[in-house]
Amino acid sequence: AQKVTQAQTEISVVEKEDVTLDCVYETRDTTYYLFWYKQPPSGELVFLIRRNSFDEQNEISGRYSWNFQKSTSSFNFTITASQVVDSAVYFCALSEALRAGNMLTFGGGTRLMVKP
Amino acid sequence: DSGVTQTPKHLITATGQRVTLRCSPRSGDLSVYWYQQSLDQGLQFLIQYYNGEERAKGNILERFSAQQFPDLHSELNLSSLELGDSALYFCASSVGNPWDTEAFFGQGTRLTVV
Repeated sequence: AQKVTQAQTEISVVEKEDVTLDCVYETRDTTYYLFWYKQPPSGELVFLIRRNSFDEQNEISGRYSWNFQKSTSSFNFTITASQVVDSAVYFCALSEALRAGNMLTFGGGTRLMVKP
Repeated sequence: DSGVTQTPKHLITATGQRVTLRCSPRSGDLSVYWYQQSLDQGLQFLIQYYNGEERAKGNILERFSAQQFPDLHSELNLSSLELGDSALYFCASSVGNPWDTEAFFGQGTRLTVV
């Protein structure tokens, strides 16, 4: 069965610090997708990125970057020069592509607090 | 704006009652997913519909049911409500084929059972 673990329940940083959110996953499938979502205090789930299991290239989008390592089953998310607006709960999720339904399995989330 | 619309945004109801949550998927998306986010269980998949047919079921209680209509909007029906059903209920939609798994979420319906 698939599983996503976000060991860091809560992280607190000061503005402009870099912060990395860890995500470890388990799956028996060779074809799968990994996602990150942001949930700000307003409650909605904002899609950040999707990665498929065949693409281990790191990705950078502005201050955000993602490091996908199949060898360690990890898909970590780094925010560079954090800002107060980055304060949110961040969820990592896994979808097994060929499974009927390909629904998302979420980790428990990491609450990031960025202090001014 | 994800393009997924959920109504209502907030709902307060009493134990034992029945409520219906509504979701309109993004234009062109055939698949609708329902998730529940509660403090103790986190974000959990409930059920998925694809083009009107149930495709997958997760941890959905028997008191809960869903359907997807010909216009592709979906409704989640929660009955005999208990205090523990208080949660944020999300709907997501995607094109629905196995190679396109991006799921965009609506803003959620916050259900409070009192």
